[in-house]
Amino acid sequence: AQTVTQSQPEMSVQEAETVTLSCTYDTSENNYYLFWYKQPPSRQMILVIRQEAYKQQNATENRFSVNFQKAAKSFSLKISDSQLGDTAMYFCAFMNTQGGSEKLVFGKGTKLTVNP
Amino acid sequence: NAGVTQTPKFRILKIGQSMTLQCTQDMNHNYMYWYRQDPGMGLKLIYYSVGAGITDKGEVPNGYNVSRSTTEDFPLRLELAAPSQTSVYFCASTLLSDGYTFGSGTRLTVV
Repeated sequence: AQTVTQSQPEMSVQEAETVTLSCTYDTSENNYYLFWYKQPPSRQMILVIRQEAYKQQNATENRFSVNFQKAAKSFSLKISDSQLGDTAMYFCAFMNTQGGSEKLVFGKGTKLTVNP
Repeated sequence: NAGVTQTPKFRILKIGQSMTLQCTQDMNHNYMYWYRQDPGMGLKLIYYSVGAGITDKGEVPNGYNVSRSTTEDFPLRLELAAPSQTSVYFCASTLLSDGYTFGSGTRLTVV
């Protein structure tokens, strides 16, 4: 079974600075997808970024980018120019496309606080 | 476009009561899921469905049941509620590997 590990339960960063959230995963599959989700205090789950394992190029979405290291099974999220609205829980998630169920396995999350 | 709609948003149940959490999506997604979120534990999969008439157990199915009679609806049934079922419940749907669209969640307390 796949597992996702987020080793940082809590992090904090100053506004306008850069922060990196860590995520590692365990799988024997070669084709899969990785995601970062943001959950602000409103509780809504928001997709931040998506990475396809067969693509070597790291995904980027505005201030959010990932460092995908397939051999190391590492998938970190970098937030540049942090804003107060980035304060949230961040979940790393893995999707195995084998079997056709498209199930997501989540890490336990990292609570990020952006300080003014 | 409503996306994924969950009702109710909050509910308090007494031990032994039953209830149904409703989930509806209007995106014609085949795949639908129910997760529960407990503090410090991330999200755990309860049940999922890959299409109308097809459901399967996830990681934590005990105490729950689901049905999928239409593409749009995927209700989650709690029978004989227990304090261990106090949690936040999320319904989600997806089209292949695009990433999930989540509902806004239901906070359930069993007392």
